[in-house]
Amino acid sequence: EAGVTQFPSHSVIEKGQTVTLRCDPISGHDNLYWYRRVMGKEIKFLLHFVKESKQDESGMPNNRFLAERTGGTYSTLKVQPAELEDSGVYFCASSQFQGAVKNIQYFGAGTRLSVL
Amino acid sequence: ILNVEQSPQSLHVQEGDSTNFTCSFPSSNFYALHWYRWETAKSPEALFVMTLNGDEKKKGRISATLNTKEGYSYLYIKGSQPEDSATYLCALMDSNYQLIWGAGTKLIIKP
Repeated sequence: EAGVTQFPSHSVIEKGQTVTLRCDPISGHDNLYWYRRVMGKEIKFLLHFVKESKQDESGMPNNRFLAERTGGTYSTLKVQPAELEDSGVYFCASSQFQGAVKNIQYFGAGTRLSVL
Repeated sequence: ILNVEQSPQSLHVQEGDSTNFTCSFPSSNFYALHWYRWETAKSPEALFVMTLNGDEKKKGRISATLNTKEGYSYLYIKGSQPEDSATYLCALMDSNYQLIWGAGTKLIIKP
């Protein structure tokens, strides 16, 4: 069974440009999460989809970030226009169950975004 | 607001030695505590999920305990091997099922 895949693995862009990150969750997982880790700091929650609906987007930093999950399968996270402080590793995770005990989130390897 | 502290920030351990590190949290108002193992450029890998005070989990040479009354979880590695080198991340699952993360402990095993 394929795990969570993210594309690209690394992106280098200039300030002001647009970047779109993609996440393919594990097949059958309704829950999809986006997280971000700025270098040396803790991972921060961005948002949570249940199927195609945004369950919680309280962690999205500002309106330069737009996440979509059309059809409830893969998700994209667009940053437009990118700023220097957007640099970091963007993780995607998926889980089959909600709740506490069974809600194990499976992570992709992340997209390392560098904004110059 | 949940807060997660991990210590130490980094740790160098001689191969074969055992080690442990800490995840601490001032509030026990969470649903579950998760431990993840992360090697750079790879996917963070779930190690343990613990929910109850006194929980102990074990996976090979790695084990973890949870003490919600005193606000900490320990991760133990017995007989460290080079492949144990990674960043170990602790996260609390809050009432919205969000994971609130610590900054991690970077473990380096010296051969």
